[in-house]
Amino acid sequence: GAGVSQSPSNKVTEKGKDVELRCDPISGHTALYWYRQSLGQGLEFLIYFQGNSAPDKSGLPSDRFSAERTGGSVSTLTIQRTQQEDSAVYLCASSLHSGANVLTFGAGSRLTVL
Amino acid sequence: GQQVMQIPQYQHVQEGEDFTTYCNSSTTLSNIQWYKQRPGGHPVFLIQLVKSGEVKKQKRLTFQFGEAKKNSSLHITATQTTDVGTYFCAYNNAGNMLTFGGGTRLMVKP
Repeated sequence: GAGVSQSPSNKVTEKGKDVELRCDPISGHTALYWYRQSLGQGLEFLIYFQGNSAPDKSGLPSDRFSAERTGGSVSTLTIQRTQQEDSAVYLCASSLHSGANVLTFGAGSRLTVL
Repeated sequence: GQQVMQIPQYQHVQEGEDFTTYCNSSTTLSNIQWYKQRPGGHPVFLIQLVKSGEVKKQKRLTFQFGEAKKNSSLHITATQTTDVGTYFCAYNNAGNMLTFGGGTRLMVKP
């Protein structure tokens, strides 16, 4: 597609429920990142996919968080047993490849856990 | 490990005043990028610097990469209300992954 597409744009859920957030990167982009941004805060790195390499999961805050990237394209971030502190905007970004490459961000998925 | 500090965290300026944000690294950086995030929006790429001592300009914005490639700055001349937002530097870490600085939030009083 023309840009990075994320869905849903907004998600309100109850504490304890599971949520799935989807990211559709720019076609042909091999690198894909997930970041989390709490209100007024910076970008917290979550996970990084590069081609067929094993993902860098070093930023995932707990084992309730997982992500996969199918066929080197679409990625899904799953949060199990959501907690109120998971409330944030989840941003996905892709780039043509790793290294000194420009990131294009999606508009984000705003998650609110009640 | 590599650490990059971005300062200041916040800056209030009167419209027409200048503004500068800095990124300082403890180690040499291979390159540095700058992004702008408008309130309620997502980060958007502004520029990339690669060479030692490099200076690039975009209208009222001037970007510099230090001679030692350990620091970078973004300077805005005569700020306007449209400059409001958070400015992030970003760099490739040892794992070749892009890592963001903490950001500088710019507020402009009309």
